[in-house]
Amino acid sequence: QVQLVQSGAEVKKPGASVKISCKTSGYTFTSYYMHWVRQAPGQGPEWMGIIYPSGGGTNYAHKFQATVTMTRDTSTSTVYMELSSLRSDDTAVYYCARGAYGSGTYGAFDTWGQGTLVTVSS
Amino acid sequence: DIVLTQSPGTLSLSPGERATLSCRASQSVGSGYFAWYQQKPGQAPRLLIHGASSRAPGIPDRFSGGGSGTDFTLTINRLEPEDVAVYYCQQYGSSPRTFGQGTKVEIK
Repeated sequence: QVQLVQSGAEVKKPGASVKISCKTSGYTFTSYYMHWVRQAPGQGPEWMGIIYPSGGGTNYAHKFQATVTMTRDTSTSTVYMELSSLRSDDTAVYYCARGAYGSGTYGAFDTWGQGTLVTVSS
Repeated sequence: DIVLTQSPGTLSLSPGERATLSCRASQSVGSGYFAWYQQKPGQAPRLLIHGASSRAPGIPDRFSGGGSGTDFTLTINRLEPEDVAVYYCQQYGSSPRTFGQGTKVEIK
């Protein structure tokens, strides 16, 4: 079955960077867009951006354009999200989520990773 | 950006009752690219409805979605204790994709 398995929790200091992995299995990696979403404590989800695993193309939410980088490794069917210049308000659970049931880059998020808690604290 | 406003904030009902959740968009959602998710504590969101009214695989037919343009609803018939969760709406027809702030469903 389709699975997205993320890397473990991270604790970072303000100003540092964090890189989270999302290893996929159970489907053709290059055929589906992958999104990154974060959820701060007690808040709704917030979309960060999208990567197309086939060509590596990306589209980031305006808010994150200066600080986020999404990449992929087709040899291991893994996508990565790196967030730099961390601040305390970046403390959140970060999810990868597969896009499906739409057209092109516009799909609902049919499968989610288990989430990675990133805590930013001095 | 399309802002999604969900109502009510909390819904408290008895088992077997019908829950009706609403989501209003600040502008029309393109191509009906609208979804509903269920999130239980400590878990990732789970896709319930896509395309405004299509159930995702494995979702019981007690869950149904409707609406178009700027007004959408999620109906949960015959509420069960396992339905206790926060429900989020989402539009994925334009960038940035956006989510509502959530409706919490409780059992009396």
